[in-house]
Amino acid sequence: ETGVTQSPTHLIKTRGQQVTLRCSSQSGHNTVSWYQQALGQGPQFIFQYYREEENGRGNFPPRFSGLQFPNYSSELNVNALELDDSALYLCASSLDRGGLTDTQYFGPGTRLTVL
Amino acid sequence: DQQVKQNSPSLSVQEGRISILNCDYTNSMFDYFLWYKKYPAEGPTFLISISSIKDKNEDGRFTVFLNKSAKHLSLHIVPSQPGDSAVYFCAASARSWGKLQFGAGTQVVVTP
Repeated sequence: ETGVTQSPTHLIKTRGQQVTLRCSSQSGHNTVSWYQQALGQGPQFIFQYYREEENGRGNFPPRFSGLQFPNYSSELNVNALELDDSALYLCASSLDRGGLTDTQYFGPGTRLTVL
Repeated sequence: DQQVKQNSPSLSVQEGRISILNCDYTNSMFDYFLWYKKYPAEGPTFLISISSIKDKNEDGRFTVFLNKSAKHLSLHIVPSQPGDSAVYFCAASARSWGKLQFGAGTQVVVTP
């Protein structure tokens, strides 16, 4: 069984640029959630994708967007990067059983630094 | 709006003794609670969960207790081992929502 993978591991961008982070879900899972973890804090929910559609969103601006593909992998896109976007971005996959989400399993994360 | 709180940022415990981590929540809609463990430079690793229909769940050295009336849960690790040194996050959700709300984490250090 393959776990959740994310790429790249680390990324450095400058303010105003755009970034795309990628996630491959665990085999058998159909739902992907993205979280942002700032230093010293717990992960904050960005959004969740199920059946290639956004299925819930946290308190993040529209410049945070995502995609889910037919193979259940996902991308997180952030436009117009700001210094405060520097964080660890975590992807989690899970199995949605008729509207009830099972345990979420996390990938290793992508460390984004915005200069 | 911090709906899940871990009020102890750190905990130091001797090897072989019990580690008790605490978590409080405010939203009565939460019906599923999880504990994750995180090492530096890694993603959170799922440890154990509990549904709101139970008050205790046990898995090896890990036991989670849920007190719904107090909106409080705790994680017991017995016996504590050096490899348990990590940050532990409490998380809660309503399973129909899907999103997890996390606490700020507790840094556990197990000393020899």
